[in-house]
Amino acid sequence: AQSVAQPEDQVNVAEGNPLTVKCTYSVSGNPYLFWYVQYPNRGLQFLLKYITGDNLVKGSYGFEAEFNKSQTSFHLKKPSALVSDSALYFCAVRDTYKYIFGTGTRLKVLA
Amino acid sequence: DSGVTQTPKHLITATGQRVTLRCSPRSGDLSVYWYQQSLDQGLQFLIQYYNGEERAKGNILERFSAQQFPDLHSELNLSSLELGDSALYFCASSAAGGATNEKLFFGSGTQLSVL
Repeated sequence: AQSVAQPEDQVNVAEGNPLTVKCTYSVSGNPYLFWYVQYPNRGLQFLLKYITGDNLVKGSYGFEAEFNKSQTSFHLKKPSALVSDSALYFCAVRDTYKYIFGTGTRLKVLA
Repeated sequence: DSGVTQTPKHLITATGQRVTLRCSPRSGDLSVYWYQQSLDQGLQFLIQYYNGEERAKGNILERFSAQQFPDLHSELNLSSLELGDSALYFCASSAAGGATNEKLFFGSGTQLSVL
């Protein structure tokens, strides 16, 4: 079965600093990976996805993610964090007809 | 606004009761997914429908059932409710099925509190 793991429950970063939210995956076959963000009292919103091709995927709101096959990782990154980026971030993987989500990482950007 | 509508937004009920959560997918989307989000278990996949047919099932309890109607809206029925069923229930939709690697559009969720 496919799975993803988010090793950090919370990440704190100062505004203006680069941020990284980690995700590792375990799949059989080619991985189809996603990042979603959840703001308070809202549903999840799609940020970006990796299917095939370039290992660096660009997404919404200035976020990007780096796919690393040898390390089975798909970390979410942003060069300069904003206070408004504070939210709950989920990594996900497609598993046939469903999507499996990680446990989520709470990002807190400090002013 | 994702275009996915969930009602009600909040639901408070007692143990042993039965409730129905409703989801209207984005216009044109054929697939509906149901997820349960709780503090201790994260986001758990419950069930997926495509154009009225059940396509995938997760760790959905036997007390829970769902269906997708001809107009493509979906309902999640929860019966014999227990305290542990208190959670945020999300519906998501996509144009086709999960096999196409599409992104999901999520509703704002229904917060269920079982007292």
